Amino acid sequence: AQSVAQPEDQVKVAEGNPLTVKCTYSVSGNPYLFWYVQYPNRGLQFLLKYITGDNLVKGSYGFEAEFNKSQTSFHLKKPSALVSDSALYFCAVRASGGYQKVTFGTGTKLQVIP
Amino acid sequence: AAGVIQSPRHLIKEKRETATLKCYPIPRHDTVYWYQQGPGQDPQFLISFYEKMQSDKGSIPDRFSAQQFSDYHSELNMSSLELGDSALYFCASSFKDRLNTEAFFGQGTRLTVV
Repeated sequence: AQSVAQPEDQVKVAEGNPLTVKCTYSVSGNPYLFWYVQYPNRGLQFLLKYITGDNLVKGSYGFEAEFNKSQTSFHLKKPSALVSDSALYFCAVRASGGYQKVTFGTGTKLQVIP
Repeated sequence: AAGVIQSPRHLIKEKRETATLKCYPIPRHDTVYWYQQGPGQDPQFLISFYEKMQSDKGSIPDRFSAQQFSDYHSELNMSSLELGDSALYFCASSFKDRLNTEAFFGQGTRLTVV
């Protein structure tokens, strides 16, 4: 069974500082990894994904994530946080192959302090 | 660009009533996933369909059923509603096994059972 762990329920960072939201995963075979962001009372918005290739992937709104196969991690990063980045962030994994479901982590609430 | 459309956006039902949630995937997407997100919870996978056939099943109660129609839209039918069914229900769609595929999510249907 595939799973995702987001060890931090909440991350607080000052505006302008770098941020990291942690994610580790477990899946059979090669993983497809995703980050989604959810604002209050809104749907899930896709940020970025890792499918294959370069371990550092860049996504929307200046976010990036680094795939580390040996550590089975896919941490989300941003060099300089904005107050508007405050939201709930979900890491997700699916196995490669047809019509595989996406499994989400429990989410990390990011709070960027002005 | 066209996105995943869910209707209705909000629904209020009484206990023991039935509800039907609809999902219209992105054009040419052949796979639909349903997720349930309770208050403060991560999205939990319910069920998925590929080419109108059920492809995977998660924690979907027996009171719920779903299907995918010939035009690839999907409906989640919920009967004998309970207070605990109050949640945000997401539909996502993707195209099977395309290398760069990810699941695109709709805005969700917020179901309130009173």
